Order: sequence, then C-alpha cells, then structure tokens
Amino acid sequence: QVTLKESGPVLVKPTETLTLTCTVSGFSLSNARMGVSWIRQPPGKALEWLAHIFSNDEKSYSTSLKSRLTISKDTSKSQVVLTMTNMDPVDTATYYCARIVDSSSFLYFDYWGQGTLVTVSS
Amino acid sequence: DIQMTQSPSSLSASVGDRVTITCRASQSISSYLNWYQQKPGKAPKLLIYAASSLQSGVPSRFSGSGSGTDFTLTISSLQPEDFATYYCQQSYSTFFTFGPGTKVDIK
Repeated sequence: QVTLKESGPVLVKPTETLTLTCTVSGFSLSNARMGVSWIRQPPGKALEWLAHIFSNDEKSYSTSLKSRLTISKDTSKSQVVLTMTNMDPVDTATYYCARIVDSSSFLYFDYWGQGTLVTVSS
Repeated sequence: DIQMTQSPSSLSASVGDRVTITCRASQSISSYLNWYQQKPGKAPKLLIYAASSLQSGVPSRFSGSGSGTDFTLTISSLQPEDFATYYCQQSYSTFFTFGPGTKVDIK
C-alpha cells in the first residue's frame, strides 16, 4: 500500500536551515502523473502548500517562501527532500508530505504522511 | 496567487443535519477544486476531487458541486465521525492554495 513518512529534526534554532525527508513506499517517484508536495500547518491554523516535485523533475514553490525553499528527489532511495533556510519561530508547524496524482489534468493529494512537528526556538 | 475563502469559518450542527460549506476562488478555476477533511492530530483526508468526484472509499453522503469561482461541499446527513475541519484547495494553478478551513462541531 502507499505510505509516506516524514523525518527530520523536531527542534531547530532561529536562522538555522531545516532539512526534511519524505520517504515513500507503494509507488515510485518515477511514476508518470505523480509527484510529492510539502505542506505545513502551524498549530491551530490552516494548511499551507510549500512546494512540489514531479516525476519529470518539474518543481514549483510557494511564491511567499520561494527564496527559502529547495525541493529535490532521489528516486533510487524513494525520498523527497525539502530544505528551508533561515528558520524563524513563525515557521513552527507540522510539516506534511503528500502524494500528488494527476488524473486527466486534475491534480490532488490522495495520500498524506502522518506529519512531523518542527519547533523553531532558541 | 489564487486566493481561496470559505464560509462559514465554523458551524454547529446535529447528527442527521444536512451541512453545506462554501468555497470561493479569487478567479475562475474551472473545476480544479478539491476538498479535504481533517480531524485533530491527524493528516487531512481527500474527500472530493475535480469539484464533484468522490474519492474511493468516501461515503456517498459527501458531495461536491460548483465550477468557476463558487463551490460547495455538502454532507447530506451528518454522522458523528464527520465532526472535523474541512478545507478546499485549488489546483488550477500549480501554486496550490488552500482555503482557511471550516470547523464543524457538535451542536
């Protein structure tokens, strides 16, 4: 079955760089019409899309965070990595990775990881 | 970027009630609209994609409609397990955006 699992530090200091890894199983990152997104959710707040990467290596980033984000994938390891630079306490959130499916040009997140809470504090 | 709004931001309802949640896009997004359900401490779950297509395994009491800028999610008969927060999300632009959410709680 399809699973996604996020991993990374639970605590980072302000100005540090966050590196999160999403390890997937049950599908390949080389599958056409599929990709992986990162989405975050500050405590008690709404979901915010951050970035995605598709099987053809097409990438897209949130306009407001683009300068701080980098997404990449290692198909052989079934991993998607997100880095976010210059972390700030407002970046404290649960970070999710989710699979994107392209169904006749309609894109949606059909499987999600459990999420990982990242706290930014000195 | 395309902005998404939802109304109401919260509502109280009873088991068996018909519930309707509205989502509006800042520009036309055709039918590129998805709905998710999120329970506390859990990841979101896909309910509806392409505005009106029911995701496999989702109960038929959930339905979606709309196109262009205005969309609705309807729960025909609210069940105890449906108390949650619901989010819409557009995929017309690959700069995906979510709505602010609608919390459905028990009256």
